[in-house]
Amino acid sequence: AAGVIQSPRHLIKEKRETATLKCYPIPRHDTVYWYQQGPGQDPQFLISFYEKMQSDKGSIPDRFSAQQFSDYHSELNMSSLELGDSALYFCASSFRQGLRSPLHFGNGTRLTVT
Amino acid sequence: DQQVKQNSPSLSVQEGRISILNCDYTNSMFDYFLWYKKYPAEGPTFLISISSIKDKNEDGRFTVFLNKSAKHLSLHIVPSQPGDSAVYFCAASTVRRGGSNYKLTFGKGTLLTVNP
Repeated sequence: AAGVIQSPRHLIKEKRETATLKCYPIPRHDTVYWYQQGPGQDPQFLISFYEKMQSDKGSIPDRFSAQQFSDYHSELNMSSLELGDSALYFCASSFRQGLRSPLHFGNGTRLTVT
Repeated sequence: DQQVKQNSPSLSVQEGRISILNCDYTNSMFDYFLWYKKYPAEGPTFLISISSIKDKNEDGRFTVFLNKSAKHLSLHIVPSQPGDSAVYFCAASTVRRGGSNYKLTFGKGTLLTVNP
């Protein structure tokens, strides 16, 4: 079965650079979520989109922005990168109409800021 | 403020025995609970969920129990297999009025090791 696809798998950037992470949800899933997981930490919710509109916002820094496109894929844009942004970034998708349907996660993008 | 707590960072059991992973929550508004399994270098994989209107849900070797009054849930794996060795995350959410989108709040995870 098709899963959530994230690219790239690994990304190395320097401080103050920008990064763009991409997420392709499971076909027919209409909701996308972004999570950040630091070393030894639980995944922290950043932001979510439903039908291309932002639906919920968590602890996302102002330096980050995200959007969902007409084909439902999503991109997380990160600017003025800081060392503390080094983490694993997960994207998840779900089908909203399936109330209480579980989120399905991609394998993540590991971002290293040097 | 950790709203979902997994107080055991690790658990070790013998193959064939029962594994019991525990989770506590503080937010009484949570009404949907999930367990995810995570291998290194992979994303969390959904295992099993339970709605607050139930106190038990079973799927093969996996059973989740919910005690709402105690704000506690547990995942039982019987029998445990070496391939079950992974980090297990408990997650909870609230379905907002009108059934609009929800986000998951995760615990910090428990590393389960099943020894052959």
